[in-house]
Amino acid sequence: TQLLEQSPQFLSIQEGENLTVYCNSSSVFSSLQWYRQEPGEGPVLLVTVVTGGEVKKLKRLTFQFGDARKDSSLHITAAQPGDTGLYLCAPTYSGGSNYKLTFGKGTLLTVNP
Amino acid sequence: EAQVTQNPRYLITVTGKKLTVTCSQNMNHEYMSWYRQDPGLGLRQIYYSMNVEVTDKGDVPEGYKVSRKEKRNFPLILESPSPNQTSLYFCASRLHRLSYEQYFGPGTRLTVT
Repeated sequence: TQLLEQSPQFLSIQEGENLTVYCNSSSVFSSLQWYRQEPGEGPVLLVTVVTGGEVKKLKRLTFQFGDARKDSSLHITAAQPGDTGLYLCAPTYSGGSNYKLTFGKGTLLTVNP
Repeated sequence: EAQVTQNPRYLITVTGKKLTVTCSQNMNHEYMSWYRQDPGLGLRQIYYSMNVEVTDKGDVPEGYKVSRKEKRNFPLILESPSPNQTSLYFCASRLHRLSYEQYFGPGTRLTVT
């Protein structure tokens, strides 16, 4: 059984601050997706990372895939209230079928004006 | 507009009264799935479908049924709802099992009393 952890579970910061959230597993990922879910809506895909050590940027969001492909981080620079939401990671595992998808429990981010 | 639609968005029902939540996608996706989202437990996959007439259990299938008679539709059926099925339900689709991006519907909030 693969263990998937996201941390922190909750994060409340002021507008303009920087933050990092993490997604870790006991198993190797073949790929990993980050989603953001805003209140009252379904999750929306932000990025997919597939190569160990890969870094992707999406405006003020920087996504990093660990060299060993067991972890990933999401860094937000100068957070804004519009960044508020639940951030979810969803890996696919090496040797997996890709049929069943697992999501982390998420980091609930609140950015206060 | 490419989208996944769910109906109803909100439903309050009583124990034992059969109900169906509909899901439809207009993107010609092969793969569709149902999730439930509960506080502290995250998103958990109920059932998924790889294509028409091909379905399989996810992580929490007990008490649910699905069917995939047409490519665009994937209804979730609760034959005899119970209070522990009170939850937020999401339908999702993706092009096929090897594609990364998953599109989510807006969610159905179900309360079973």
